[in-house]
Amino acid sequence: NAGVTQTPKFQVLKTGQSMTLQCAQDMNHNSMYWYRQDPGMGLRLIYYSASEGTTDKGEVPNGYNVSRLNKREFSLRLESAAPSQTSVYFCAIHSGSTGELFFGEGSRLTVL
Amino acid sequence: GQQLNQSPQSMFIQEGEDVSMNCTSSSIFNTWLWYKQDPGEGPVLLIALYKAGELTSNGRLTAQFGITRKDSFLNISASIPSDVGIYFCAAGGGGYQKVTFGTGTKLQVIP
Repeated sequence: NAGVTQTPKFQVLKTGQSMTLQCAQDMNHNSMYWYRQDPGMGLRLIYYSASEGTTDKGEVPNGYNVSRLNKREFSLRLESAAPSQTSVYFCAIHSGSTGELFFGEGSRLTVL
Repeated sequence: GQQLNQSPQSMFIQEGEDVSMNCTSSSIFNTWLWYKQDPGEGPVLLIALYKAGELTSNGRLTAQFGITRKDSFLNISASIPSDVGIYFCAAGGGGYQKVTFGTGTKLQVIP
């Protein structure tokens, strides 16, 4: 997972609270992704950013916003957290030359 | 949207046995990827496939890109306890096109 750093690694929120998950990369790739992982559901794409300044919705964008601050950083924001957003969130960077994804270690979020 | 059907969902095998899992889709892809996820970690790339019919090995792992470009399989030979984890297939259109993931195969190895 070297090259992709996620913070925080763990977070507990109450329903209605807001928070931002941060992701930073040092691999100089243009494309960055946010996934959520739930038991039996695999990895579902929330939002992605093909390049600095652009963002697009994935499969499950509702309840989230993103910001591609610069080439290195891609943040995921929950404006009003709900228990259904309890999950493990993964940031990934996408190599355009090989099509491969490289993942961070994950951020474990619990919404009470 | 695009979906990958991965099977089996879970497997219990004896140490030393061979393992096979596969992914199918109704869509055509240009890239197939296989990942392994250990508990508490992010997925790690095992094998990447770029051409229909391609057969690629990484140690005891072998993966193939189906000739129809709609499927792929992963074989693990002579399983060992550290093979335990969740294996995901993933596929994409190539380049910067989105990557879709399968639902995973949970592998447990009995010593």
